[in-house]
Amino acid sequence: GESVGLHLPTLSVQEGDNSIINCAYSNSASDYFIWYKQESGKGPQFIIDIRSNMDKRQGQRVTVLLNKTVKHLSLQIAATQPGDSAVYFCAENIYNTDKLIFGTGTRLQVFP
Amino acid sequence: DSGVTQTPKHLITATGQRVTLRCSPRSGDLSVYWYQQSLDQGLQFLIQYYNGEERAKGNILERFSAQQFPDLHSELNLSSLELGDSALYFCASSVYGTSQNIQYFGAGTRLSVL
Repeated sequence: GESVGLHLPTLSVQEGDNSIINCAYSNSASDYFIWYKQESGKGPQFIIDIRSNMDKRQGQRVTVLLNKTVKHLSLQIAATQPGDSAVYFCAENIYNTDKLIFGTGTRLQVFP
Repeated sequence: DSGVTQTPKHLITATGQRVTLRCSPRSGDLSVYWYQQSLDQGLQFLIQYYNGEERAKGNILERFSAQQFPDLHSELNLSSLELGDSALYFCASSVYGTSQNIQYFGAGTRLSVL
């Protein structure tokens, strides 16, 4: 069953296309960022992280870009597959705290 | 499979009751975090324990409490339950005590308060 809110922003992409999921974070003192994927009925799954001393980090089929000037984070997924359909959350750690603050999430729908 | 185990998967109870949710962290992880996820909200951080000690507190109600035992498993106790406590409760674990490291999440406990 559904495990997250029903009124999330949704990104619909065709299988094989690239996806870009955006996230605006709240605090200029945030120094660590992380992306999670949550499939229906499951817990969040780590995708990729980035520290504030970096602008870009690449993983397998995923790239995270960080723009500290405008407090913006994006997750790029190359050659999107049906298995990528999920809700994606960004999270930020504010410097000198021990808490991750999660964004509201974006639902990615992949159609054939 | 993240290696974090949560029990039970589902819990149905009545208002006013008390429940205990259990979490076993990944082998080697010292930190345990608890989160609440409601249908109309994202993941809300509740509390963190590191090596048996409370490390950070979020939006945890006074009716809720948690602890981490010497074997590093953790329990979240929810008492005087209200309808609004119905949610998914996730546990996460990480190696270190700071949140500047990857947290691995369990599959969650779905709590329904009737």
